[in-house]
Amino acid sequence: QKEVEQNSGPLSVPEGAIASLNCTYSDRGSQSFFWYRQYSGKSPELIMFIYSNGDKEDGRFTAQLNKASQYVSLLIRDSQPSDSATYLCAVPDSNYQLIWGAGTKLIIKP
Amino acid sequence: ETGVTQSPTHLIKTRGQQVTLRCSSQSGHNTVSWYQQALGQGPQFIFQYYREEENGRGNFPPRFSGLQFPNYSSELNVNALELDDSALYLCASSLGLGGAAPLGYTFGSGTRLTVV
Repeated sequence: QKEVEQNSGPLSVPEGAIASLNCTYSDRGSQSFFWYRQYSGKSPELIMFIYSNGDKEDGRFTAQLNKASQYVSLLIRDSQPSDSATYLCAVPDSNYQLIWGAGTKLIIKP
Repeated sequence: ETGVTQSPTHLIKTRGQQVTLRCSSQSGHNTVSWYQQALGQGPQFIFQYYREEENGRGNFPPRFSGLQFPNYSSELNVNALELDDSALYLCASSLGLGGAAPLGYTFGSGTRLTVV
C-alpha cells in the first residue's frame, strides 16, 4: 500500500527563521507532489506543487524534491506567526487520487 | 455562483443512524472527490464522481455511498453510523481527471460529523 509519511510535530520555529518540513513517500513511480496548508478547523489550501527534481520557489516557500531518496521538503523563509498551521504532503496514486500524509503541525513563535 | 458549498457545517448523530452530506461544486467543475479527515490525521480518499459516475473508491465499506447529480453537485451517504465515523468530511470539486487535476481542486469548508 502506497504511503506518505510526515513527522506530526509540533515543529516550533522562531519568527523570522526558516521552517523545514519533510515528507517521504513509498511509491518510487510517483511523479507529482503537493503541499497544502490547513488552519485549524479549515479546509486544506494548495501552496506548492512540484514534479521535477530540484527546487521550486514561490515567494517565501521553496519545495525541494529528491526522487532518488523519495522525499520532498517544504522550506518557509522568514517565518511569520500567520504561517502557524498544519502542513500536509499529498501524492497522487496511479488513479490520480491523492494520498495524504498525516501532516506536520508548525508553530511560529513571536 | 463560485466556490464549493458543503452542508450542513456541523452535525451530531447517534450510532446506528444514517446521514447525508451535501456538496455543491464550483461553477464549471464536473468532478467531485470526497475525503474523510479524522482528528490529527490527513484526509483519506472516500470516492470520486465524474459526470455522475463513480470514478474510483478508497478503502471504505459499502455503507459509504454517494451520488452526483446532473448539475454536478454531490451527496455522501453513510449508513449505520459508527463512533469512528466522527470526522471532518471534505469535498473538492475540479474539472476533469488526471494527475494535474488536484491543481484545480476547490475544497469546501467541510462538514464536521460527530457520532455519539
